[in-house]
Amino acid sequence: QVQLQQSGPGLVKPSQTLSLTCTISGDSVSSNSVAWTWIRQSPSRGLEWLGRTYYKSRWYNDYAVSVKSRIIINPDTSKNQFSLQLNSVTPEDTAVYYCARATVNAFAFWGQGTLVTVSS
Amino acid sequence: QSALTQPASVSGSPGQSITISCTGTSSDVGAYNYVSWYQQHPGKVPKLMIYEVSNRPSGVSNRFSGSKSGNTASLTISGLQAEDEADYYCSSCTSSSTLVFGGGTKLTVL
Repeated sequence: QVQLQQSGPGLVKPSQTLSLTCTISGDSVSSNSVAWTWIRQSPSRGLEWLGRTYYKSRWYNDYAVSVKSRIIINPDTSKNQFSLQLNSVTPEDTAVYYCARATVNAFAFWGQGTLVTVSS
Repeated sequence: QSALTQPASVSGSPGQSITISCTGTSSDVGAYNYVSWYQQHPGKVPKLMIYEVSNRPSGVSNRFSGSKSGNTASLTISGLQAEDEADYYCSSCTSSSTLVFGGGTKLTVL
């Protein structure tokens, strides 16, 4: 059974970088046909797909247009993890952040969610 | 990429059937059979109910079914039960190699 465990701070100051990590058990971050994804949810924006990383002979990333200039998603094969970095955050980035495992563009496995508040 | 369009709310009585629509464009819903549906109870993680338009994951009740016509996908719940009361979200991949969610529909069981 795949399990995803999220870690990272729940409070980030405006203009700083939001960093979260998702640790995978029951699967490999290098699995073929699997995309490791970050999603966020807020009352104002609903569910928002942020981006993904996946391995298919080499590593690929796709990012949402809304955050493309500020986001990095990286795999860490040595720790079987993947991470989210979102730069230059504002209060609008306050949300519950989820990591998730996608196959055929569907998310059957999710992390527990992390409420990240952007505030000074 | 604009969010997919869902009705804000739907309601039905126990035992009835309801349908939630999810309207996109020819660049997302209409272009691919990668539409998924999620159920989310308050304070909980979303749960996958339908993938690839009409497939149910193991363990999901056969009262849930999905379909698609053109740029609009639909989720139908038959034999409505109190436990079905939740928020429902659709999603689709897009021609830009991204994924987009719907705005969500609150289902009330009367």
